[in-house]
Amino acid sequence: EDQVTQSPEALRLQEGESSSLNCSYTVSGLRGLFWYRQDPGKGPEFLFTLYSAGEEKEKERLKATLTKKESFLHITAPKPEDSATYLCAVQLGNTDKLIFGTGTRLQVFP
Amino acid sequence: EPEVTQTPSHQVTQMGQEVILRCVPISNHLYFYWYRQILGQKVEFLVSFYNNEISEKSEIFDDQFSVERPDGSNFTLKIRSTKLEDSAMYFCASKREGDTQYFGPGTRLTVL
Repeated sequence: EDQVTQSPEALRLQEGESSSLNCSYTVSGLRGLFWYRQDPGKGPEFLFTLYSAGEEKEKERLKATLTKKESFLHITAPKPEDSATYLCAVQLGNTDKLIFGTGTRLQVFP
Repeated sequence: EPEVTQTPSHQVTQMGQEVILRCVPISNHLYFYWYRQILGQKVEFLVSFYNNEISEKSEIFDDQFSVERPDGSNFTLKIRSTKLEDSAMYFCASKREGDTQYFGPGTRLTVL
């Protein structure tokens, strides 16, 4: 069965304290891996798409990387406004649907 | 920047009633989706729609659910006879070509 697992479930950081979120996947025929940010009561907001092992994407304080079995979302010197739930989703080669993980709830304190 | 919009933001209904959730996808997008998220759980795929027909649906999307693109701009999800377990956030998403799906803000459905 295709599975996406995110860890940790929750992460509390001090402002400026860098860290990484993990998304591990067990799927057949990965076509793409997506990172989204979700604020409470809102829809997922697109951040990155990664397609192949070794690929990296960056946006402001966020950097996403991909290996054959997992992806990391690195947050450098986070600010309180980075507080949100970060969702990982995979798309398989024969389908358009996204399979989501349960997310990592990030809280950044000043 | 174009966005997916959804109405209403919150819908309260009685069990057994029909509800229609509405979405306006981004204007030049061709592929449309519905997902749902039960409180505290994962976002789950319901259905994808392209060229005026369903292209894929999940096990959740049974005969009680239907989708329609009634005109050139709206995309709707209908639940014919709501159940308590249908209470969730429902998200519409759309994309043009390529793989990135853009999500709307969601409709919170509460079934009493």
